[in-house]
Amino acid sequence: NAGVMQNPRHLVRRRGQEARLRCSPMKGHSHVYWYRQLPEEGLKFMVYLQKENIIDESGMPKERFSAEFPKEGPSILRIQQVVRGDSAAYFCASSAELAGGRYEQFFGPGTRLTVL
Amino acid sequence: QKEVEQDPGPLSVPEGAIVSLNCTYSNSAFQYFMWYRQYSRKGPELLMYTYSSGNKEDGRFTAQVDKSSKYISLFIRDSQPSDSATYLCAMRRNSGGYQKVTFGTGTKLQVIP
Repeated sequence: NAGVMQNPRHLVRRRGQEARLRCSPMKGHSHVYWYRQLPEEGLKFMVYLQKENIIDESGMPKERFSAEFPKEGPSILRIQQVVRGDSAAYFCASSAELAGGRYEQFFGPGTRLTVL
Repeated sequence: QKEVEQDPGPLSVPEGAIVSLNCTYSNSAFQYFMWYRQYSRKGPELLMYTYSSGNKEDGRFTAQVDKSSKYISLFIRDSQPSDSATYLCAMRRNSGGYQKVTFGTGTKLQVIP
């Protein structure tokens, strides 16, 4: 049973280019979360999506960043006109339908974005 | 003030030592408490999960929650070099109808053989 898949694992972009990060959740999971991790800053929540819906995007910068989770295919985190400050590790996590008890987000290996 | 505070370390201990990792939090709405382990260049993986105040043990790991003090701990007994990783505390609360998770900054642990 494959875990959460992210690709690419490493992405290099020049300032002003677009970055597209992909996340395929675990089989049977319909909830996807994106986090950004910078050294010494831990995991920062960006956005929570269900199929075709953005549930919470309170952690997403208002400009240049967008996310989607279409009915078919992976979730995409898109960063337009990248700047050096966007360089970070971006993690995707997925979970199954929420229940009142145990609940776990399973994380992918991350995409490391470097902006030159 | 951050909702969750965690000393980033690094923490360096000799093999076999008992390790204590801690987090404090300010929001009493947090109901579920977790510890994740993250190896270098990998994604976090869930280690321990607790709900109520008290201790929960799993092998060499013990998670402790004190809701009255808003303080959680992770103890690692007989630490091994393979325990060298970053440990992140995480907490869950209801937010707009779903369970939102907030992470600490992580403590980097190195166990010296």
